[in-house]
Amino acid sequence: KQEVTQIPAALSVPEGENLVLNCSFTDSAIYNLQWFRQDPGKGLTSLLLIQSSQREQTSGRLNASLDKSSGRSTLYIAASQPGDSATYLCAVSSGNTPLVFGKGTRLSVIA
Amino acid sequence: GAVVSQHPSRVICKSGTSVKIECRSLDFQATTMFWYRQFPKQSLMLMATSNEGSKATYEQGVEKDKFLINHASLTLSTLTVTSAHPEDSSFYICSANEGGVGIEQFFGPGTRLTVL
Repeated sequence: KQEVTQIPAALSVPEGENLVLNCSFTDSAIYNLQWFRQDPGKGLTSLLLIQSSQREQTSGRLNASLDKSSGRSTLYIAASQPGDSATYLCAVSSGNTPLVFGKGTRLSVIA
Repeated sequence: GAVVSQHPSRVICKSGTSVKIECRSLDFQATTMFWYRQFPKQSLMLMATSNEGSKATYEQGVEKDKFLINHASLTLSTLTVTSAHPEDSSFYICSANEGGVGIEQFFGPGTRLTVL
């Protein structure tokens, strides 16, 4: 059974810092991995989707990497801003199962 | 990206009543829709997978007679919480894609259900 773990559970940084969020999964046989952002009381916003054949994806200040063999992904946020404060969720799709989510990392960027 | 809507965004009801939540794909045909539940400070837990024109597949521990799912068209799936109780209070989120698993899913904004 696929399990997804995100570390750290919470993170607080000053504005302008670069930061890395970590995601690990137990079954490396995945189709893809997605990073989402969730604001309090809101739905999910898809940030980046990495297919199993890809090593990384970039969108603006965000860069996500995937090391399928080791079951790890990282989300790198450059030059963090207070507007980046949210919960970041990692989810993987594998086999015939729908997305399996981690518990998320709550990020606070302090102005 | 594709847009998925949910209605209502928030509902408060008395214990014992039934509540229907709609999930719509606005600009694509969703062969498959997924329903998730999220308790405070917890991650999303899949409740069921809904395929257009067939019965939903429920995850272990989810009562199919309590959480009725109908996916009657390629753009609409509904989740009905029957005889709701306070422990059903949660954030319900749907997602949709154009076909099966392994394809990018697009999420609705969620519905906050509070059962008094």
